[in-house]
Amino acid sequence: SQQGEEDPQALSIQEGENATMNCSYKTSINNLQWYRQNSGRGLVHLILIRSNEREKHSGRLRVTLDTSKKSSSLLITASRAADTASYFCATGFSGGGADGLTFGKGTHLIIQP
Amino acid sequence: DTEVTQTPKHLVMGMTNKKSLKCEQHMGHRAMYWYKQKAKKPPELMFVYSYEKLSINESVPSRFSPECPNSSLLNLHLHALQPEDSALYLCASSQVGLEEKLFFGSGTQLSVL
Repeated sequence: SQQGEEDPQALSIQEGENATMNCSYKTSINNLQWYRQNSGRGLVHLILIRSNEREKHSGRLRVTLDTSKKSSSLLITASRAADTASYFCATGFSGGGADGLTFGKGTHLIIQP
Repeated sequence: DTEVTQTPKHLVMGMTNKKSLKCEQHMGHRAMYWYKQKAKKPPELMFVYSYEKLSINESVPSRFSPECPNSSLLNLHLHALQPEDSALYLCASSQVGLEEKLFFGSGTQLSVL
């Protein structure tokens, strides 16, 4: 079953602008991750935020997590044409084994040059 | 080596054919996964192997048969597929633990005629 729900489903912005994507989930999690997928390719891990963290940065990426609202946001600053891709949040609730991740519906981001 | 290699990249098969998808990683990961992704949809978990043992089968039809011959290899055997099984099949691997950061292959684009 799909747990994460991304918002918006599609986003088109000008190069240089910031892009914000949101994700909501339904059950308890150990961590929340964001992945990027270029068209027809595999997914690439971007960033992981643990359930006891509220904010995390990695280069031009900023992720926030609000466990009380069961939501997360991904901010990409100073967007580039190469950021055009689909972005998925994924939630994990592993008890220490390998349980797999559940992916949200994704946001398709288009950066206009 | 941080790659997950999937072969073939493209596969066209008839409904009576038998074929296999292959996946290989040399990162020492002991968890391996098969995901199915339809166009413009998120990846859906099919199978999880942990320490070469099948640990999760997400109610996948028996026409899909996974196999993990050793810790580096993962196969997906296909038999008597239906046209609705046409999709991108993604293999991933990860460490076993509380934080499953997945490394994905580029996928096999499967068309069933």
